Amino acid sequence: DAKTTQPPSMDCAEGRAANLPCNHSTISGNEYVYWYRQIHSQGPQYIIHGLKNNETNEMASLIITEDRKSSTLILPHATLRDTAVYYCIAYGGTSYGKLTFGQGTILTVHP
Amino acid sequence: KAGVTQTPRYLIKTRGQQVTLSCSPISGHRSVSWYQQTPGQGLQFLFEYFSETQRNKGNFPGRFSGRQFSNSRSEMNVSTLELGDSALYLCASSLAPTALSGANVLTFGAGSRLTVL
Repeated sequence: DAKTTQPPSMDCAEGRAANLPCNHSTISGNEYVYWYRQIHSQGPQYIIHGLKNNETNEMASLIITEDRKSSTLILPHATLRDTAVYYCIAYGGTSYGKLTFGQGTILTVHP
Repeated sequence: KAGVTQTPRYLIKTRGQQVTLSCSPISGHRSVSWYQQTPGQGLQFLFEYFSETQRNKGNFPGRFSGRQFSNSRSEMNVSTLELGDSALYLCASSLAPTALSGANVLTFGAGSRLTVL
């Protein structure tokens, strides 16, 4: 898996958009970008993934740069329940299921 | 539909004992992966099973083992427990064997929290 780099922590006001960046400059052509989040003491929860096009689902939007070296997860209207650790993972091809989790970004949404 | 079920949720063991953790994947999911999470090391991949075969293994000692049954349920075993094995053990299931599909979403269970005294 390509290595990913994320800021260790971010803050966001409730109701505002949370934009979480991720750098994956060594990503290979067949690796997808996945985002998971983990709320304290629970299992990670899948959010979204993409290959090279921007993606949107009911939870979030994923913006991938044209060179695929970085991406941004957007939570359009953050709530207190979005406070969690967010993991960006580059995965696919011959990874054989070995997800490599980094330290992630601790997102704190405050009132 | 039911999610990934892990049992037991909490358990306490003493050094030298062994432990077996169970994981029931989402119905129809045939791939099961195991992860260990500790405050110091974060989330680390243990192994992955598909069709009762271990497809990949992380960098853990041989005391950590697993297996998958014909109904896709999986168990992992840790023998000769050490204090450092205290962790949250997470199981994840997915539809396809992850090596064959570039896009493969893992669904995680709530985990089994093991404390070794």
